[in-house]
Amino acid sequence: DAKTTQPPSMDCAEGRAANLPCNHSTISGNEYVYWYRQIHSQGPQYIIHGLKNNETNEMASLIITEDRKSSTLILPHATLRDTAVYYCIVRVSNYGQNFVFGPGTRLSVLP
Amino acid sequence: EAGVTQSPTHLIKTRGQQATLRCSPISGHTSVYWYQQALGLGLQFLLWYDEGEERNRGNFPPRFSGRQFPNYSSELNVNALELEDSALYLCASSNKQGGEAFFGQGTRLTVV
Repeated sequence: DAKTTQPPSMDCAEGRAANLPCNHSTISGNEYVYWYRQIHSQGPQYIIHGLKNNETNEMASLIITEDRKSSTLILPHATLRDTAVYYCIVRVSNYGQNFVFGPGTRLSVLP
Repeated sequence: EAGVTQSPTHLIKTRGQQATLRCSPISGHTSVYWYQQALGLGLQFLLWYDEGEERNRGNFPPRFSGRQFPNYSSELNVNALELEDSALYLCASSNKQGGEAFFGQGTRLTVV
């Protein structure tokens, strides 16, 4: 079973920041938080991952709370092409575990 | 650099037949993961291969099987196809150091 809880759906206005929350209250000390997204009927796309420090790349920022029990994925300027299902996954990063996907959050970016 | 490639993109089979799906990982990646995504449903883990061996298996019947070749490409076989096997089958690869996995665009299998 997935170790994360996400809201089933969210809306965001185009050009605004999209903030997608994820709860992972049972996360272990060696588990990373990964984010993927899946645009309709395509393969999931890797977005970002982190352990305890905040991370930023060209796609998004990942904010992890100090107790690591929750995190937020931030898309700074959402576009219509960001409409997708976003998955938050916790996983030990080193060799040895598959990714367990939950139902994710369906983000709709509205014009 | 080429991403994960899967073939064929679409496959139509009759109930009871066998299907073979193929996956080529990103160069340098030794792990291959297979997932099933039925229409409107989530991704269900099927199989994980690394260094030619099956490392983990999801809750699927034995008629779902596969293998990994010396060049790290992989094949998923589904025997005795049933209508409910109709789904998008996704392959992902990662390197031995772990970290992120990258997905292909999938094979859509339709069983009629």
